[in-house]
Amino acid sequence: AQSVAQPEDQVNVAEGNPLTVKCTYSVSGNPYLFWYVQYPNRGLQFLLKYITGDNLVKGSYGFEAEFNKSQTSFHLKKPSALVSDSALYFCAVRPKAAGNKLTFGGGTRVLVKP
Amino acid sequence: DAGITQSPRHKVTETGTPVTLRCHQTENHRYMYWYRQDPGHGLRLIHYSYGVKDTDKGEVSDGYSVSRSKTEDFLLTLESATSSQTSVYFCAISDTGYEQYFGPGTRLTVT
Repeated sequence: AQSVAQPEDQVNVAEGNPLTVKCTYSVSGNPYLFWYVQYPNRGLQFLLKYITGDNLVKGSYGFEAEFNKSQTSFHLKKPSALVSDSALYFCAVRPKAAGNKLTFGGGTRVLVKP
Repeated sequence: DAGITQSPRHKVTETGTPVTLRCHQTENHRYMYWYRQDPGHGLRLIHYSYGVKDTDKGEVSDGYSVSRSKTEDFLLTLESATSSQTSVYFCAISDTGYEQYFGPGTRLTVT
């Protein structure tokens, strides 16, 4: 069975500094990988995905993520964080050969301070 | 949240009563999903549908059933609500089976 680990419950960063949210996964075979963001009292919003091809994926709101197969990681990054990036971030994985079921990590809360 | 509505948005019910949550989409997407969100657990899949009348179980399906008689509607029923089913429930849709798009959620409290 697949699993996703987000090792940090919370990440604190100053506005303007780089932001990194970590994600590692365990899955049989090659994965599809996703990042979502959740603002208070809202549903999740899709940020970006890795399906195939270039290991560096660019997504919405200036976010990007790098797929690292050897380290089974898919860390989310943003070069310069904004206060409005404060939210809950979820990493998710789906095995290529196992239907449409996503497995989510437990989430990382990001707090960007002015 | 575009194109996806959930009803009700909030509900308080008593243990042992049946509860039905509705997800409605206007995007004509093939796939629909029900998740529950609990602190420390992220989102966990309850059931999903890959077409009208085609459904499958997720990782936490016990105590829940679903039905999809039309493309646009996906119903989640708690057959006999328990306190452990107090949660926030999210519906999601997908046309490709890759990225999913989520509704605004239903907060359910079972007393």
